[in-house]
Amino acid sequence: NAGVTQTPKFQVLKTGQSMTLQCAQDMNHNSMYWYRQDPGMGLRLIYYSASEGTTDKGEVPNGYNVSRLNKREFSLRLESAAPSQTSVYFCASVAGGTDTQYFGPGTRLTVL
Amino acid sequence: GQSLEQPSEVTAVEGAIVQINCTYQTSGFYGLSWYQQHDGGAPTFLSYNALDGLEETGRFSSFLSRSDSYGYLLLQELQMKDSASYFCAVRGYSGYSTLTFGKGTMLLVSP
Repeated sequence: NAGVTQTPKFQVLKTGQSMTLQCAQDMNHNSMYWYRQDPGMGLRLIYYSASEGTTDKGEVPNGYNVSRLNKREFSLRLESAAPSQTSVYFCASVAGGTDTQYFGPGTRLTVL
Repeated sequence: GQSLEQPSEVTAVEGAIVQINCTYQTSGFYGLSWYQQHDGGAPTFLSYNALDGLEETGRFSSFLSRSDSYGYLLLQELQMKDSASYFCAVRGYSGYSTLTFGKGTMLLVSP
């Protein structure tokens, strides 16, 4: 039981490049989330998926897109990376009926 | 919307007790959660309060006062490994099982 996994762990991009961050969970959770964490800013919600087939914007969705590929997988795409998207990205999932979120190890992204 | 306030940093010595406060403003309150994050690591769930009062889990306790929109995390018998950031969170921004996090309190435990 791996919990929530994320790939890659580290990534460096040039401005304008695109990439997809992958997230998978093996806990049969319905809801999945993408956050970004910047120094002194806490965790801010980018997008979430309450269940397979649905996605919704969070607090800071601009510049990102998501895909809920199936119940296990939820990906985050940066179409044209900008230096302001330099951050640590965390994926999380939640079992139904609770507020307890289980986080992946994070992806550290630098955009030059 | 939701907003949470917590101190940016707290320092303490090993063996001591420390309290990390959190005040919140939210429409439609469901409960207050606490998460721990070690440097370079992922946040991990510590506790959840939906009702007023104290919840105890080993060395950690969490308190909630809904009438005061206030809660705190109490850490007892501090150990060096407790040095980490602690975040309070409320269900929030978009309702359905989404959380709005405070900016975090960095706890530094010294020998």
